[in-house]
Amino acid sequence: NAGVTQTPKFQVLKTGQSMTLQCAQDMNHEYMSWYRQDPGMGLRLIHYSVGAGITDQGEVPNGYNVSRSTTEDFPLRLLSAAPSQTSVYFCASSYSGPIFNYGYTFGSGTRLTVV
Amino acid sequence: KNEVEQSPQNLTAQEGEFITINCSYSVGISALHWLQQHPGGGIVSLFMLSSGKKKHGRLIATINIQEKHSSLHITASHPRDSAVYICAVSLNTGTASKLTFGTGTRLQVTL
Repeated sequence: NAGVTQTPKFQVLKTGQSMTLQCAQDMNHEYMSWYRQDPGMGLRLIHYSVGAGITDQGEVPNGYNVSRSTTEDFPLRLLSAAPSQTSVYFCASSYSGPIFNYGYTFGSGTRLTVV
Repeated sequence: KNEVEQSPQNLTAQEGEFITINCSYSVGISALHWLQQHPGGGIVSLFMLSSGKKKHGRLIATINIQEKHSSLHITASHPRDSAVYICAVSLNTGTASKLTFGTGTRLQVTL
């Protein structure tokens, strides 16, 4: 009964390095999404997926890449880290379907610092 | 102007006080969510509502669709209620529901 698991919890990267933030859920949720949280701003959608093999861009997709090969996993890749990507990242999942309004389950977050 | 506005941004209350946090939105929505985030912690979903009122323990959430407004009330507040409370709205797009977030209300409850 893990819910949404995010790893790592903390990460420091050097500018230009790449890395993958992992997100896994065990609730058979179709919808998964990545958000970033910056001081003074609401969470912003980076990328989302409505099912395996289907992904789409959110509000702030530049510099990030995603894939969804299984229902359970939705990794977020930073291609070439920049200081502007210093943020707290949250993964969230939900059921998705004709009745859209299901509650969301969030992961515990990844605090990323790019130096 | 943000699509989701919360007030106040910061709120300090004494233990036992009745607390109200407000959320206004400017777009048509399918549902509104109230979330709680403790310092350094993850985000927990408190309520999702599309009409009327919901209650869970000391927390009450109401929504007025016509006025595009929602309130989160905490009765008999306690220091453990200290957290950031975030309002988010579901904007249906295709087959998926996307969330648009307010910037949060930071609540501190003191003894």
